[in-house]
Amino acid sequence: QLQLQESGPGLVKPSQTLSLTCTISGGSISGGTDCWGWIRQPAGKGLEWIGHICPSGSTDYNPSLKSRVTISLDTSKNRFSLNLNSVTAADTAVYYCAKEWGYWGQGTLVTVSS
Amino acid sequence: QTVVTQEPSLTVSPGGTVTLTCASSTGAVTSDLLPHWFHQKGGQAPRVLIYSTSKKVSWTPARFSGSLLGGKAALTLSGAQPEDEAAYYCSVYYRSAWVFGGGTRLTVL
Repeated sequence: QLQLQESGPGLVKPSQTLSLTCTISGGSISGGTDCWGWIRQPAGKGLEWIGHICPSGSTDYNPSLKSRVTISLDTSKNRFSLNLNSVTAADTAVYYCAKEWGYWGQGTLVTVSS
Repeated sequence: QTVVTQEPSLTVSPGGTVTLTCASSTGAVTSDLLPHWFHQKGGQAPRVLIYSTSKKVSWTPARFSGSLLGGKAALTLSGAQPEDEAAYYCSVYYRSAWVFGGGTRLTVL
């Protein structure tokens, strides 16, 4: 059974870079055709797609976040990562990784605060 | 920026039928937009129910079905159960980007 697990700092200071990693177990990040995505959800609000990376290595990003986001793949460690720079309080949210769309991580809360 | 619109909230009686819809600011929702439906129960990660308009995953209860209806994607729940009370999100894929709707809070009462 494929499992995804997010990891990274739970607290990030304003203007700094939020970095999260999603580690896959029970399967290979290189297998199949589904893309690997990041999604976030501020407390009490809806889902926002951040972007994804596909097995080919190609990436697509939410236009509203594109200038601040980088998603990368590390096949040797069976994981993919999210970098979101110049964060503000508006970036505070639960961040999920997913294999679009059948498998999701449990989510990790990231708070942006000084 | 594409906007996907869902009903903010709906109520259905136990055993009743309800249809949730998903509209796109880009125009009619078609199968090309690969509409998906997710549900999310308090504090848990979302879970896909329907993908590519009407396809079910292995854990999708038979009472859920997906379709296109009047230019929108639709999720129909027939025979609502108390455990179906949740937030439901649709998403569409447009110009290489997924866009989620704002979600529908479904109450079974």
